Amino acid sequence: NAGVTQTPKFHILKIGQSMTLQCTQDMNHNYMYWYRQDPGMGLKLIYYSVGAGITDKGEVPNGYNVSRSTTEDFPLRLELAAPSQTSVYFCASSYGTAGEETQYFGPGTRLLVL
Amino acid sequence: GQNIDQPTEMTATEGAIVQINCTYQTSGFNGLFWYQQHAGEAPTFLSYNVLDGLEEKGRFSSFLSRSKGYSYLLLKELQMKDSASYLCAVVNTNAGKSTFGDGTTLTVKP
Repeated sequence: NAGVTQTPKFHILKIGQSMTLQCTQDMNHNYMYWYRQDPGMGLKLIYYSVGAGITDKGEVPNGYNVSRSTTEDFPLRLELAAPSQTSVYFCASSYGTAGEETQYFGPGTRLLVL
Repeated sequence: GQNIDQPTEMTATEGAIVQINCTYQTSGFNGLFWYQQHAGEAPTFLSYNVLDGLEEKGRFSSFLSRSKGYSYLLLKELQMKDSASYLCAVVNTNAGKSTFGDGTTLTVKP
């Protein structure tokens, strides 16, 4: 049982380029989330999904897109990368409804946009 | 909207007790989580409170007062490995969404 896995661990992106951050969970969780964490700050919710085929915006969705074609996978797409998107990105999943259950986090992807 | 406040930094001595406070204002409340995050690592679950009162789990306890919009995390018998950031997260009534505070960085000194 690997839990939540994320790839890549670290990436340098040029301004204007696009990329997809991968997230997979093997716990059969309904809910999945993408957060970004800037230095010294808490987690900001980018997008979340309550099940396959259903996604919704969080606090800071601009510049990002997501899809949820399967229960296991929840990729995050960055279009036209900007320096403001330099951050650590965490994917998380949980089983229960209404966010009442513990979120399990992946190890994070450190992204640098230059 | 939601507003969550935690102290930015705290320092304590090995073997001591420390209390980390979290106050929140939210339009809908459905529970509060505490997570621990070591530098360069992902957050990990510590506790979840939905009802008023104290939940004890070994060296860590968490308290909630819904009427006051207040929670605290109590760490006893501090160890050096407790040096980390502690994140308070409020679950609101919109399904599946939590809002995180900016975290409190705890430094435990010998």
